[in-house]
Order: sequence, then structure tokens, then C-alpha cells
Amino acid sequence: EPEVTQTPSHQVTQMGQEVILRCVPISNHLYFYWYRQILGQKVEFLVSFYNNEISEKSEIFDDQFSVERPDGSNFTLKIRSTKLEDSAMYFCASSLTGTEEKLFFGSGTQLSVL
Amino acid sequence: SQKIEQNSEALNIQEGKTATLTCNYTNYSPAYLQWYRQDPGRGPVFLLLIRENEKEKRKERLKVTFDTTLKQSLFHITASQPADSATYLCALGDSNYQLIWGAGTKLIIKP
Repeated sequence: EPEVTQTPSHQVTQMGQEVILRCVPISNHLYFYWYRQILGQKVEFLVSFYNNEISEKSEIFDDQFSVERPDGSNFTLKIRSTKLEDSAMYFCASSLTGTEEKLFFGSGTQLSVL
Repeated sequence: SQKIEQNSEALNIQEGKTATLTCNYTNYSPAYLQWYRQDPGRGPVFLLLIRENEKEKRKERLKVTFDTTLKQSLFHITASQPADSATYLCALGDSNYQLIWGAGTKLIIKP
């Protein structure tokens, strides 16, 4: 079965530094998402992306966050100036139609901000 | 405010028995509900979807029910196996296809 791939699997950074998390969604999917999950807590929606623009974003997705699809395959999440509370597992997901169908998740990037 | 509740305590089930997990919600009228499985350090994996006008869905050993009057979904795994041990997440979707997630229930199947 096709997979969503994420890199790196672990990222350690100093507070205030910029990080870019990378994702390769499933090739024929059209809707892309970023979620995060703080250890032991709920999966939280950050942003959805379709047709090269953000379609929805949550309150968590403030000005420190941005997403980009720089080419036909990659989908990135940038955090400009990381804070301690940004430490979490970040999951990329994709779906074909953006309706109620299932999401395909990557294995995540564990971000640790020191 | 919208609230989704799943059993926060781990559910311990003997191998071969049926495991039943609960997802309750308040202040919300979902158009559909999904169940996912999550293993430690991994992303959620989709299992089943049930729409608001459906009462029950089955897939192999899995069964999901959806009661919009009780505001509850039940997720059953029959003939449970140790490999079914994982955290199971329910996610509710609205008419804009935005998902709200429960915190998950950890299921442990003992041999």
C-alpha cells in the first residue's frame, strides 16, 4: 500500500531556532494535512492544504507556522522560532478527496525543543 | 464546548474475547465518525468509517456502531489477539470534513 513518508524521524533544536519538517504525501492525493500530538495527549489538527493554498487552520497554527508545497511531491511545515511548547510528534497526512474518506498518516517527526 | 470522551484507562482483555471500546461526545453533531489504530511512535492507521445515517459497520473482526441519540460509538474487536494491542482513536467529522479527535483508549490483549 502507498505510504506517506516523513523526514526526519527525530529533530532536536534549540529554542528560537527555525525547523522544517518534511513530508512526501501519497502521489495521487490532493489534500494534505499537518497534525501534532503531544506525548500522551490528543491528536490536534494544525492545517489543511489544497490546490496550493491553506484551506483550514486551527488556533495552534499561528504566525510562527507556515506550510509549503515547493514542488510536486514535498509538503513542508516550517516553525520559524521554536518554543519549548512546540515539542511534540508532528504527523503529516494526505487524502484523495478531502471528504469523509480516510486519512493516510506518516510515521511522524518527533520534535524536541530544548 | 465540543467534547469527545474515550476511556482514559487501559482496557485489558483476554485473548479470544471481544474487546469493546467506547467513544462518547457532547455538544457536537458529527456527520461521520472514524476509528483509527495507533501503535507507539507511529501515525494513526484508518480502520473504519461510519456515517450519521448508519447504525453499524463491519470489517472482518471489527464492528462499529453509531448511536446519534446516545451520542456514542462503540468499537468491537471479536476474537481478539495480542496483535490487536494498540491505542484506538475515534475521530468525529463535521460537514466541512474537519476531524476532532478523542484521546484514545489503550487496549491490551493478554495471551
